Amino acid sequence: GAVVSQHPSRVICKSGTSVKIECRSLDFQATTMFWYRQFPKKSLMLMATSNEGSKATYEQGVEKDKFLINHASLTLSTLTVTSAHPEDSSFYICSADLAGVYNEQFFGPGTRLTVL
Amino acid sequence: QQQVKQSPQSLIVQKGGISIINCAYENTAFDYFPWYQQFPGKGPALLIAIRPDVSEKKEGRFTISFNKSAKQFSLHIMDSQPGDSATYFCAASEAYNYGQNFVFGPGTRLSVLP
Repeated sequence: GAVVSQHPSRVICKSGTSVKIECRSLDFQATTMFWYRQFPKKSLMLMATSNEGSKATYEQGVEKDKFLINHASLTLSTLTVTSAHPEDSSFYICSADLAGVYNEQFFGPGTRLTVL
Repeated sequence: QQQVKQSPQSLIVQKGGISIINCAYENTAFDYFPWYQQFPGKGPALLIAIRPDVSEKKEGRFTISFNKSAKQFSLHIMDSQPGDSATYFCAASEAYNYGQNFVFGPGTRLSVLP
């Protein structure tokens, strides 16, 4: 099956620092990747849609200058949380669109961000 | 019209029992309905998916039933096991609309008692 990796799996940082999270599709090319945020016991909240070679599309209420997304290649998208604050602490999950016969989406294992 | 409703919010089942989770959608353009299983601290994993050209799909202990006219679909877990305890999300999308995000249900927390 299609495999999506995320790195790091867990990160703790001080308030005011920036954190970069990588999302890679390991065995397929993904024109589109999605970034989600998930609060405890809640559903996935779409933050942005990342398209290779173009600017990401952010959902309403998501600050694009706060959450920088770069989709540099067909196998890599990065999310940078800039000037992180404790309220940014969350579980961040990416997914990649396997545009094969039809639209399928595969998720990474997630990154737990804790901002002190 | 983009919403996917899911029930129940939580479910407790005895080992060996049948777990049933229901979802309903409104957008008739949706034609791909996956179910995801998520364990705590992990990303969602694709469990099983169905296209509307069939009314049922079975993979091992997991079965999706699909009712196109009612715009409803459900996940049945037969012989539920403690290892099935997880959160389950249904989703819907347009199968050939590449790059479009899926619409997810709010999730169902399943607990299977030993």
